[in-house]
Amino acid sequence: ENVLTQSPGTLSLSPGERATLSCRASQSVISNYLAWYQQKPGQAPRLLIYGASSRATGIPDRFSGSGSGTDFTLTISRLEPEDFAVYYCQQYGSSPFTFGPGTKVDIK
Amino acid sequence: QLQLQESGPGLVKPSETLSLTCSVSGGSISSSIYHWAWIRQAPGTGLEWIGSIYYTGSAYYNPSLRSRVTISADTSKNFFSLRLTSVAAADTAVYYCARHRPPFDHWGQGTLVTVSS
Repeated sequence: ENVLTQSPGTLSLSPGERATLSCRASQSVISNYLAWYQQKPGQAPRLLIYGASSRATGIPDRFSGSGSGTDFTLTISRLEPEDFAVYYCQQYGSSPFTFGPGTKVDIK
Repeated sequence: QLQLQESGPGLVKPSETLSLTCSVSGGSISSSIYHWAWIRQAPGTGLEWIGSIYYTGSAYYNPSLRSRVTISADTSKNFFSLRLTSVAAADTAVYYCARHRPPFDHWGQGTLVTVSS
């Protein structure tokens, strides 16, 4: 199975700052089928990015994804108060579909 | 607007079978575009894909759970279901159903299932 690791575990930033989250896969992600989700407490995850770099419907353009192969990045250009949450990467190029352990973005 | 809603018992005894249903509204599970999935999240931990089903009834599972899992669908009533046998405390989690495009682009709100005697 393709194991995903995320770093850092926690990112402490202030509103308006830039957030850079990393996701690394143990094997190359087929067709760069890599997604990013945001999860807030008590809520289901929300799809932000798919195909490594395509924004899902309704996602603000301050969210961007990049990368290929085994290394991927989610960037939030300027953090809004509603962006403080846990972010998960997920690969869907090969079964079993796997998620990373998450990066928590909290308020500094 | 697509909505998914999980339902089922919130408490299951060890060694028994967990059964959940996902009712879908605002869209048809008979669509050939999408698959339909179950995902779980143990308390305070990450996400685990359990398995998915296509409208033809073809299902595929995470190998880690394959021996205990069955996912089925009723296209006439527009819902799909999860059965997990021989549950243990480690199966305590919030269980989500989701539309699987892939990736998972619409999720239910989730339902907490606790395994305890």
